[in-house]
Amino acid sequence: QQQVKQSPQSLIVQKGGIPIINCAYENTAFDYFPWYQQFPGKGPALLIAIRPDVSEKKEGRFTISFNKSAKQFSLHIMDSQPGDSATYFCAALTQGGSEKLVFGKGTKLTVNP
Amino acid sequence: EAQVTQNPRYLITVTGKKLTVTCSQNMNHEYMSWYRQDPGLGLRQIYYSMNVEVTDKGDVPEGYKVSRKEKRNFPLILESPSPNQTSLYFCASSLGDYYNEQFFGPGTRLTVL
Repeated sequence: QQQVKQSPQSLIVQKGGIPIINCAYENTAFDYFPWYQQFPGKGPALLIAIRPDVSEKKEGRFTISFNKSAKQFSLHIMDSQPGDSATYFCAALTQGGSEKLVFGKGTKLTVNP
Repeated sequence: EAQVTQNPRYLITVTGKKLTVTCSQNMNHEYMSWYRQDPGLGLRQIYYSMNVEVTDKGDVPEGYKVSRKEKRNFPLILESPSPNQTSLYFCASSLGDYYNEQFFGPGTRLTVL
């Protein structure tokens, strides 16, 4: 049972575009939603995270939008750059500790120059 | 430098030949975890450990063993590898408190023939 559904699987945009990656969940016990970024040949690294008590969080060019009633959250990358080309994973965490982080299947983003 | 290290980085082996992938962290983290990453399936948790001598199954534990005899080390053991365990493996660690970032190692690409 996939607990976090992520779409699209892959995404190609031009430099300066605003790619949007969407995630949806069913488990209302989830209360922490991080996004991880993975470059080829590297391990994932935390990019940005949000809790459901806020609807939006912005860090630099990266923004998470969160819709608690719809049980959906999304990552927006403003003014995307070729260096943003990577695989992005959304994730969700239930109360009980960081050991139960559940990941989406990932989105491979390509930003063309 | 704070980091999670894995060895080996690449391994080709044959069915049934026991192998161990080592994982070590130098951040005094309580929590450690193993994931496997497969195309189209994202990151799936194999085992995790909340502290020394405390381990538990993740989502896909079949065919794997772990041990946590020291805080810094968390080896992944494949007693009798099979071709369906061909995958990219990541070790991760975190402080263990709720909401803490997970730090990932560089990955181990395993091929079982």
